[in-house]
Amino acid sequence: EVQLVESGGGVVRPGGSLRLSCAASGFTFDDYGMSWVRQAPGKGLEWVSGINWNGGSTGYADSVKGRFTISRDNAKNSLYLQMNSLRAEDTALYHCARASYGDYDSWFDPWGQGTLVTVSS
Amino acid sequence: DIQMTQSPSTLSASVGDRVTITCRASQSISSWLAWYQQKPGKAPKLLIYKASSLESGVPSRFSGSGSGTEFTLTISSLQPDDFATYYCQQYNSYSGGFTFGPGTKVDIK
Repeated sequence: EVQLVESGGGVVRPGGSLRLSCAASGFTFDDYGMSWVRQAPGKGLEWVSGINWNGGSTGYADSVKGRFTISRDNAKNSLYLQMNSLRAEDTALYHCARASYGDYDSWFDPWGQGTLVTVSS
Repeated sequence: DIQMTQSPSTLSASVGDRVTITCRASQSISSWLAWYQQKPGKAPKLLIYKASSLESGVPSRFSGSGSGTEFTLTISSLQPDDFATYYCQQYNSYSGGFTFGPGTKVDIK
């Protein structure tokens, strides 16, 4: 069974940092691009960042560019999101999601259940 | 960046109704569009990709159409399990980002 499980969320003060992880199983991880997508409480979906199969190509939403860094460790079947300079508007449930092929410019399937990040003083 | 809009934002319907949701892109995205269903407390589920391709395991009452800037998701006969929020998403890599529509909530009439 294909599975994505996020972890690392929590409560952090504005300006703080957090590192999210996504553990993948049930498929050949380094065959696929991956993305992070977030959903603020009661709001819609926002693509945050994507990475291709070998980490050689990455992309970011304008809202997080320069503050967030996506990476992956194919030996550990894991995806990461390093979040720095966090703001209140970064408060959201963060999902990792698999692309349909080796790059990240595709539809997303499946999605993990998400990890909640709350930025508050 | 490409902006996505959806209409209506909320739709009240009854079991058995034919339901149509429209998604519009601010510029052409060819057929680089996906549709997702999300239920409260759950992760989004892929329904349609490449504007009209039905994801494996998704009931055939769901269908997608369109290209360029205007797309539709149709549920031919609404079932109790279909009450949810539906999102479109463009994934044109030249757009600078992968934008979602604001969502359409389908609730019970």
